[in-house]
Amino acid sequence: DGGITQSPKYLFRKEGQNVTLSCEQNLNHDAMYWYRQDPGQGLRLIYYSQIVNDFQKGDIAEGYSVSREKKESFPLTVTSAQKNPTAFYLCASRITSGSYNEQFFGPGTRLTVL
Amino acid sequence: AQKITQTQPGMFVQEKEAVTLDCTYDTSDPSYGLFWYKQPSSGEMIFLIYQGSYDQQNATEGRYSLNFQKARKSANLVISASQLGDSAMYFCAMKGLSTLTFGKGTMLLVSP
Repeated sequence: DGGITQSPKYLFRKEGQNVTLSCEQNLNHDAMYWYRQDPGQGLRLIYYSQIVNDFQKGDIAEGYSVSREKKESFPLTVTSAQKNPTAFYLCASRITSGSYNEQFFGPGTRLTVL
Repeated sequence: AQKITQTQPGMFVQEKEAVTLDCTYDTSDPSYGLFWYKQPSSGEMIFLIYQGSYDQQNATEGRYSLNFQKARKSANLVISASQLGDSAMYFCAMKGLSTLTFGKGTMLLVSP
């Protein structure tokens, strides 16, 4: 079964701790994305990567970091510098060749910082 | 810069009726694409339909169709014969060079 997995589904952390959210895909997609969603809001782009070992900041990158060491994996670290990290985080991927290239999404991780 | 506007925070519809969810956009790019995604309460985003700016016909996918009016910069989603399982958040998004810009979404509630 091809798809995107995000773990864990729910994550609780104390304020001031860094936390890493996992995103893995077996779709052989080139590009991967991280979004943040707050209640009643749309998705905002944090970081994205189109090839291994390269990534770009999105609209709200401050307080976050990423790595892309393997094509299948794009972990997101929420650092203590992120002022309001409690949110729903969605990972997505897409193939970069072909027609309209829709993004496929994982099930999301709900992060709560206490 | 690209912008997506969804002006309806919430919509109610009775089962088996049709419903239109509004989406207007703004871009200076001559070539662009518009997506609609559905987000059930479980949180995952489900791709519904796509319309390219140069497509001659409005996109359709089963019960979903896109009412694309280029001059008005609108790309409204039409759901025919609503079902209870259609209750969800719906997001309109515009494709940029490598990324998507999302609207704030419309919550659709389908009643029996």
